[in-house]
Amino acid sequence: SQQGEEDPQALSIQEGENATMNCSYKTSINNLQWYRQNSGRGLVHLILIRSNEREKHSGRLRVTLDTSKKSSSLLITASRAADTASYFCATDGGTSYDKVIFGPGTSLSVIP
Amino acid sequence: NAGVMQNPRHLVRRRGQEARLRCSPMKGHSHVYWYRQLPEEGLKFMVYLQKENIIDESGMPKERFSAEFPKEGPSILRIQQVVRGDSAAYFCASSPDLGNTIYFGEGSWLTVV
Repeated sequence: SQQGEEDPQALSIQEGENATMNCSYKTSINNLQWYRQNSGRGLVHLILIRSNEREKHSGRLRVTLDTSKKSSSLLITASRAADTASYFCATDGGTSYDKVIFGPGTSLSVIP
Repeated sequence: NAGVMQNPRHLVRRRGQEARLRCSPMKGHSHVYWYRQLPEEGLKFMVYLQKENIIDESGMPKERFSAEFPKEGPSILRIQQVVRGDSAAYFCASSPDLGNTIYFGEGSWLTVV
């Protein structure tokens, strides 16, 4: 299966701290995406990183990709209570039809 | 440009009834995905469609579930003879073409009583 696996499953930090979530996958990919989901809501796209990229930034978010290790990390700096959500990585299968598969997610709690 | 629109947001069905979930992709998007999310779990891929074609339905249960994306109109996920285990959130997503960000709707929450 190409499915990504996030690590840790759950993370609890104090406001202002940094949060790091990791994602590992099994097959080759074209790109990897990170999404956030607030309870009872749809998924919000955070960042897409292509297989030929190693690092990408967006505001307080930093994503790295290591294709040799088939892993990615999402770093949220200076966390806020509003960052409390579940975070998912999603990978395509590197094939021509590009099915996107999600990992089980990391549940992040930021304590004010 | 409206986002991915799903309806209904919430649907209650009795066991044995049919559920129809609709998804209108973003304007200009011809790729549609359906995912199911059980409580406290991640998203499970169900089916990937392009206009009038099912590209990959490897995540669809073999029976009672079907999906279509006609030339005109929304994509439909149809669940026949629903059972309690079908209770879940069903998310639709769309993308303009291969290798691009996929954008999600707000989901349809199905409850089978």
